[in-house]
Amino acid sequence: RKEVEQDPGPFNVPEGATVAFNCTYSNSASQSFFWYRQDCRKEPKLLMSVYSSGNEDGRFTAQLNRASQYISLLIRDSKLSDSATYLCVVNNFGNEKLTFGTGTRLTIIP
Amino acid sequence: DAGVIQSPRHEVTEMGQEVTLRCKPISGHDYLFWYRQTMMRGLELLIYFNNNVPIDDSGMPEDRFSAKMPNASFSTLKIQPSEPRDSAVYFCASTSDRILSGANVLTFGAGSRLTVL
Repeated sequence: RKEVEQDPGPFNVPEGATVAFNCTYSNSASQSFFWYRQDCRKEPKLLMSVYSSGNEDGRFTAQLNRASQYISLLIRDSKLSDSATYLCVVNNFGNEKLTFGTGTRLTIIP
Repeated sequence: DAGVIQSPRHEVTEMGQEVTLRCKPISGHDYLFWYRQTMMRGLELLIYFNNNVPIDDSGMPEDRFSAKMPNASFSTLKIQPSEPRDSAVYFCASTSDRILSGANVLTFGAGSRLTVL
């Protein structure tokens, strides 16, 4: 089983819609969680960290469920510029390694 | 700040040739990571350094791969001899924060796209 699993998509969503991605992780010792965004042929960039209580940044909401070992990302009122691949990232306690999921590809349709 | 600088951006080489990828981390960042990205396997951590010292190289696929960090502002990833299955985008990333802090931001370079024929 992969350490971090994501639905690869693609998700094709009309502009203005709400879209949600889930990500599961296998190591219950995982301590830190992030969502990174990667545009086509570009490098990954941090979108947001994921905190235990859930957190929001504008149209983006991240949630963590430790009991079920999954992380979610919700995008409201989607924009064309949200089209990208979204990478779920976890870190395990005791080391500096970040493990990336293979990403979920999102395309916002005008 | 110029960000993490990688070179070359693109390299096409023939099987059996030596490939050297270079990285200049952001000044003041004491962690440096090398990742490889392919469609099939996504982003895989190859090796990371702290204060120029290799900490974990368990992701290095085989002895053909080697990485060095002779000083705080320069690192290389070498593949010798190269094989077609090494074709991928190789990213270098750096940070000044301990990932365990939870506030970590990894800053990636633009990547080196390697094609081995």
